[in-house]
Amino acid sequence: GQSLEQPSEVTAVEGAIVQINCTYQTSGFYGLSWYQQHDGGAPTFLSYNALDGLEETGRFSSFLSRSDSYGYLLLQELQMKDSASYFCAVGGNQAGTALIFGKGTTLSVSS
Amino acid sequence: SQTIHQWPATLVQPVGSPLSLECTVEGTSNPNLYWYRQAAGRGLQLLFYSVGIGQISSEVPQNLSASRPQDRQFILSSKKLLLSDSGFYLCAWSVGAPASGYTFGSGTRLTVV
Repeated sequence: GQSLEQPSEVTAVEGAIVQINCTYQTSGFYGLSWYQQHDGGAPTFLSYNALDGLEETGRFSSFLSRSDSYGYLLLQELQMKDSASYFCAVGGNQAGTALIFGKGTTLSVSS
Repeated sequence: SQTIHQWPATLVQPVGSPLSLECTVEGTSNPNLYWYRQAAGRGLQLLFYSVGIGQISSEVPQNLSASRPQDRQFILSSKKLLLSDSGFYLCAWSVGAPASGYTFGSGTRLTVV
């Protein structure tokens, strides 16, 4: 089976840096994905790591260590609009499979 | 450009009533299609996915079913709703390897009363 663990809540202030960790257990690992979901909305794709290392996309970066079954999402220069839930997900590198999502981390950014 | 339509946006149904939620994708061919459910304040639970017409994989045994009558149409159904079926239902699509990113529909918020 597959399981993912991430913190349920994280709080930070505007301008700060926050790291959301994700550990996973899976058979046949195909990559770690991250999604953002604002309250009442649909999730949107942020990033995908198939290989070890850091991937940077603007203020957001995602890291993967396959040997540790661990990854994180790094959000820099936090803004109020970054307040949302963030989900890590595993699986689905092959057609015919689907992503399994973690329970999500609620990020609250205050001024 | 590709778009995904999901309706209705909200739905209130009595226990024991039937359900039909529809999802359609435009601007792409042979998409992989998915149904997820999200309980209040919880994660996304995979319900069904499909890689082609008539091909349905079920992840969670329950009183829901899915069908894919056309390439870009995915339907979630139930013959008799339970209170526990309440939640936020999300349809998503991807092309090829889904790890490259899902695009989600706007969701249907279902309340069973």
